[in-house]
Amino acid sequence: GAGVSQSPSNKVTEKGKDVELRCDPISGHTALYWYRQSLGQGLEFLIYFQGNSAPDKSGLPSDRFSAERTGGSVSTLTIQRTQQEDSAVYLCASSVTGQGYNEQFFGPGTRLTVL
Amino acid sequence: GQNIDQPTEMTATEGAIVQINCTYQTSGFNGLFWYQQHAGEAPTFLSYNVLDGLEEKGRFSSFLSRSKGYSYLLLKELQMKDSASYLCAGEGGKLIFGQGTELSVKP
Repeated sequence: GAGVSQSPSNKVTEKGKDVELRCDPISGHTALYWYRQSLGQGLEFLIYFQGNSAPDKSGLPSDRFSAERTGGSVSTLTIQRTQQEDSAVYLCASSVTGQGYNEQFFGPGTRLTVL
Repeated sequence: GQNIDQPTEMTATEGAIVQINCTYQTSGFNGLFWYQQHAGEAPTFLSYNVLDGLEEKGRFSSFLSRSKGYSYLLLKELQMKDSASYLCAGEGGKLIFGQGTELSVKP
């Protein structure tokens, strides 16, 4: 497809379990972003990858959260020992570059529910 | 800091004009984005301002004043389908979003 894809679309897990969320960006986009959106809230920045540069991890809420981007394409966001407050929609976006007029294209999101 | 503030919700009438304001306190933003998000869907791009002034795009226009840390999104000839959340975001590599303004368009 031409857009950003994410999987799974929905994930229900038990407190304390680890989860992995996947993002496939638009081909050729060098920048990739992860955001979190809690119910009725705005988007909270988590992490930003730009080409081969070290990622900007300044938005990760705790050391239980990590992300990697392999081969400059697919990214995986991992949440270890999930807590109920981790329940949210996790959105991935990609853009051609990471600066200036870099319209970000969003994926449909993964809705995570921690019981 | 990088605080971005917008009203939480607004209501307007079909066919009318509405202005959604966004203020920010930051250095380091190159420009300002506006995104539209319908309930249960991903945000979609509306506009980007990097220079002061008004950018017009059909029924939607966006204004930026960098010196005042102020932007607004103007929606004309409102339609019911414009009911959505409107997100203001400062751009400096990553995007820093406001909490969004929930717009309800009434007949």
